[in-house]
Amino acid sequence: SQQGEEDPQALSIQEGENATMNCSYKTSINNLQWYRQNSGRGLVHLILIRSNEREKHSGRLRVTLDTSKKSSSLLITASRAADTASYFCATDAGTSGSRLTFGEGTQLTVNP
Amino acid sequence: NAGVTQTPKFQVLKTGQSMTLQCAQDMNHNSMYWYRQDPGMGLRLIYYSASEGTTDKGEVPNGYNVSRLNKREFSLRLESAAPSQTSVYFCASSVRHGPDTQYFGPGTRLTVL
Repeated sequence: SQQGEEDPQALSIQEGENATMNCSYKTSINNLQWYRQNSGRGLVHLILIRSNEREKHSGRLRVTLDTSKKSSSLLITASRAADTASYFCATDAGTSGSRLTFGEGTQLTVNP
Repeated sequence: NAGVTQTPKFQVLKTGQSMTLQCAQDMNHNSMYWYRQDPGMGLRLIYYSASEGTTDKGEVPNGYNVSRLNKREFSLRLESAAPSQTSVYFCASSVRHGPDTQYFGPGTRLTVL
């Protein structure tokens, strides 16, 4: 079963708008990661947020983590057509040596 | 640094044929992984190697075998390919096993007829 589940499955916005994607998970975690996958390519790591952090920024990306609700959100501000990709959250089971589990992803389309 | 490389990029097999997917990383990472990605299913872990000399089953290991040849290389073998193994296969590596950032290869698109 998937540890992380993204919402929405698909999101279409206009260039310049903000895009928000959400991830929910079931068990306690050490950290939560977000990855991007351009069509036909491998996944690329975007940002990692630890369980004791509530918010993290990287350029136009803002990630929040609410461990009480077991959820995270990824905000992309001032989106560009080049941001069109699938976005995945990845979580672990919170135990030593546990492996990452990836959700099914959100397909983001940014229209020029 | 090339990062994580995979060969081949594309492959078409007939049912029952065998093949090996190759993966190599030049980042001196200890852990390596094989995933498959199917439409609407996200990534599913097939096998992983937490460190050189060890391999373990992931979520969907049936029909596959792996070899951690050395610290750099981790291969995935399909002994008798089936149409259900049509998928995109990704290799990844990380500094250590666990909730660590993973670095992905470009993938191998496999079709089994």
